[in-house]
Amino acid sequence: GNSVTQMEGPVTLSEEAFLTINCTYTATGYPSLFWYVQYPGEGLQLLLKATKADDKGSNKGFEATYRKETTSFHLEKGSVQVSDSAVYFCALYYSSASKIIFGSGTRLSIRP
Amino acid sequence: DTAVSQTPKYLVTQMGNDKSIKCEQNLGHDTMYWYKQDSKKFLKIMFSYNNKELIINETVPNRFSPKSPDKAHLNLHINSLELGDSAVYFCASSQEGRNTEAFFGQGTRLTVV
Repeated sequence: GNSVTQMEGPVTLSEEAFLTINCTYTATGYPSLFWYVQYPGEGLQLLLKATKADDKGSNKGFEATYRKETTSFHLEKGSVQVSDSAVYFCALYYSSASKIIFGSGTRLSIRP
Repeated sequence: DTAVSQTPKYLVTQMGNDKSIKCEQNLGHDTMYWYKQDSKKFLKIMFSYNNKELIINETVPNRFSPKSPDKAHLNLHINSLELGDSAVYFCASSQEGRNTEAFFGQGTRLTVV
């Protein structure tokens, strides 16, 4: 079946450090891929997305590239800020299934 | 303008009670969802509706009954609440298609005591 696996947290980094959160997926066909962010006490917000192989999604300094050959969609940021502290979810969407499948979430904490 | 709004934000109730959570979206989307988020932040889909029709019911106990009176609303009614129902429930909506993204409500924190 379709599934998403992302690295377990929590991840703790110092401000201005480089961030990578790994995400791999299992799916038949070509799903759309997403990263969502959840700040404390809030709902999920779309951070970035990619809808086909080799697409790169980017927003707020975050980037992720849809890699079909490795079935991955790793999230990266060159220099994190304290305000990036949140829970990050990798997700895939399959139109034939009419649902969005989420990974287990990775809690990120940034130290000043 | 809130895109997806759900009420109430907090709900504390006793075991055995029946309660409802309401959700409305003003985005004109054709698909709406209910997700349950547990204490470890794991998100699990419960239901998906497309144009008021039930598409997905992910082995949710039949104490949970969604109702979609129109495309813009998807309410969740829960009968005979149990301690294990305590969680944050999120409503979301999207427009079917490859570029779809889901818009989420702020969540309803349900605590069963």
